[in-house]
Amino acid sequence: AQSVAQPEDQVNVAEGNPLTVKCTYSVSGNPYLFWYVQYPNRGLQFLLKYITGDNLVKGSYGFEAEFNKSQTSFHLKKPSALVSDSALYFCAVRDESNSGYALNFGKGTSLLVTP
Amino acid sequence: NAGVMQNPRHLVRRRGQEARLRCSPMKGHSHVYWYRQLPEEGLKFMVYLQKENIIDESGMPKERFSAEFPKEGPSILRIQQVVRGDSAAYFCASSPPEAAYQETQYFGPGTRLLVL
Repeated sequence: AQSVAQPEDQVNVAEGNPLTVKCTYSVSGNPYLFWYVQYPNRGLQFLLKYITGDNLVKGSYGFEAEFNKSQTSFHLKKPSALVSDSALYFCAVRDESNSGYALNFGKGTSLLVTP
Repeated sequence: NAGVMQNPRHLVRRRGQEARLRCSPMKGHSHVYWYRQLPEEGLKFMVYLQKENIIDESGMPKERFSAEFPKEGPSILRIQQVVRGDSAAYFCASSPPEAAYQETQYFGPGTRLLVL
């Protein structure tokens, strides 16, 4: 079985400070990991993904994420937060060994960046 | 290149009516996925389709829900005899036909269904 945990319901950070949104996963085989962002009443926008290769993945809008196999984590980071980054962030995983193609999503983390 | 399109964006139905949700994938994409988002929850997978084929419907409720992706036209998610518990946001995603495990799924804006 595959699962994703986002341990924080909400993360608050001041504008200009670094931000981290945490994600841990559990899969049987090699994981394919994704981050999406959702703005109010909108669909999900793709930020970045890890498939293989370099553990540090760079994505859209200055976001990056680090794949850590030993800690089974894929935390989302940004060096300097913007107020416009305030949104709902979802981590998702797909298991290479799983015959299904569905993405398994975490419950989401609400990011609030204050001026 | 237009993204994934869904309509209607908002749909209101009374209990017992039918709801039809439509999804047009991105140009060149032949894989379509439907997800449901309940309030305060993440997205839950419902069904995965390719043209004229249901590949994985392991997340679909056993009754009242059906999906299709015909050779021509959009994918349709159909909910018969809706109940209040069906109120949710329904998202469609699409991906290219290659290497499905690795491909990104691109999401539409969703249809927000409200059952009165």
